[in-house]
Formats: sequence, C-alpha cells, structure tokens
Amino acid sequence: QVQLVQSGAEVKKPGSSVKVSCKATGGSFRSHALNWVRQAPGQGLEWMGGIIPIFETPTYAQEIQGRVTISTDEPTSTAYLELSSLTVADTAVYYCATHRGDLWGQGTRVTVSS
Amino acid sequence: AIQLTQSPSTLSASVGDRVTITCRASQGVSDTVVWYQQKPAKPPKLIIFDASTLENGVPPRFSGTRSGTDFTLTISSLQPEDFATYYCQQMYVYPHTFGQGTKLEIK
Repeated sequence: QVQLVQSGAEVKKPGSSVKVSCKATGGSFRSHALNWVRQAPGQGLEWMGGIIPIFETPTYAQEIQGRVTISTDEPTSTAYLELSSLTVADTAVYYCATHRGDLWGQGTRVTVSS
Repeated sequence: AIQLTQSPSTLSASVGDRVTITCRASQGVSDTVVWYQQKPAKPPKLIIFDASTLENGVPPRFSGTRSGTDFTLTISSLQPEDFATYYCQQMYVYPHTFGQGTKLEIK
C-alpha cells in the first residue's frame, strides 16, 4: 500500500526559499499523478499545482506561478515542491496528495517569519 | 479558473440530524467533484468521488448527488465523529479548485 511521507517542518526568513519533499513508500510514483495543496492557519485548502510523473510537466496555480517549482525523482519515488521569494503569507501547512485525492501526506508546516 | 461556492460556511446540528452541504460550480465540471472531510491538524480524507461514489470504508450515511453544476453532500444521521470541516474540489480542469469549506459544528 502506497503512503506519502513528507519532510519535516521548516522555519524560513522572508525572501528565502523552501523545498518540501514527498516520498511514496510501498509503491511507485509512475501510476500516481500528484497535487500540492496548502492550508494557511485557520483557512481553507488551496491547490498549488500538480504533476503527472511520467510526463514530467507540472501545472501551477496562477497566483504563485513564477515562484513555484514542482518536480519528481522517479528512482527515489520522491516529489518536491519548491517555493521562492517567501512572504509571511506563505506560512501554511503544505500537503502532497494523489490526483484522485485518496492519499495525502501528513503535511509539512512552513513558517515564514523574520 | 472555475470557482466552487460552498454553502453554508458554518452549520450547527445535533447528533442524529440529517444535513446537506451544497457546492455550486461556476461552470460545468461534469462529475469530477470530490468531497473531503477534514479534522483539526489532519490532512483531508476523501469521502466521495465522481460526485456520488462513496470511497471505500466510508459509512453509507454519507452520500453525494449532482444536478447540473450543483453538488450536494448529505449525511443522513450525524454521528459524533462527523463534526468536522467539509470541502468540495473539482478535478475537471486545472487549477483543481476547492470550495471554501463548511464547518459542521455541534449544536
């Protein structure tokens, strides 16, 4: 059974970048398109972008295009979300999830603070 | 981008009540709407996919329907563990937008 295991919490300064990983254990990425979703404190869910690993072409939300990069590493079954030029508004829990929505990572808390 | 408008934003109900949450899409999304349940400090849990299909292991008191661009999630008899926040999401086209959420509270 595939599980998605994310990297640990991060604290970042405004203007810096963060890279969050999402490793599929117990299976392969090749059969799973992936989405990244974030949730600011007390707020709803925000779709950030998605990737179909065999095509390797991600799609991003317009609001963060230019600051976000989604990638995958097939040999390690790991997906990455990199977000640059961080502001306090990027403080959130970041989740990876399968395209179908049936599997989610545990979430990675990213705090942006000076 | 397709907008999903959920109503109500907050719903107060009692154990045993029947409740309905609505999600209206700004344009056609076929049957690609899913529903999630989220509890504090946990990732969302898929409960309905393809607008009306119950995910494996989800109790049958949950059901979903579609009428055009209107989607509903119904819980037929609320149980204590059902008090949570519910979100709809469309998978029809990128960006895969979410509704703003409905918080189901104990009355």
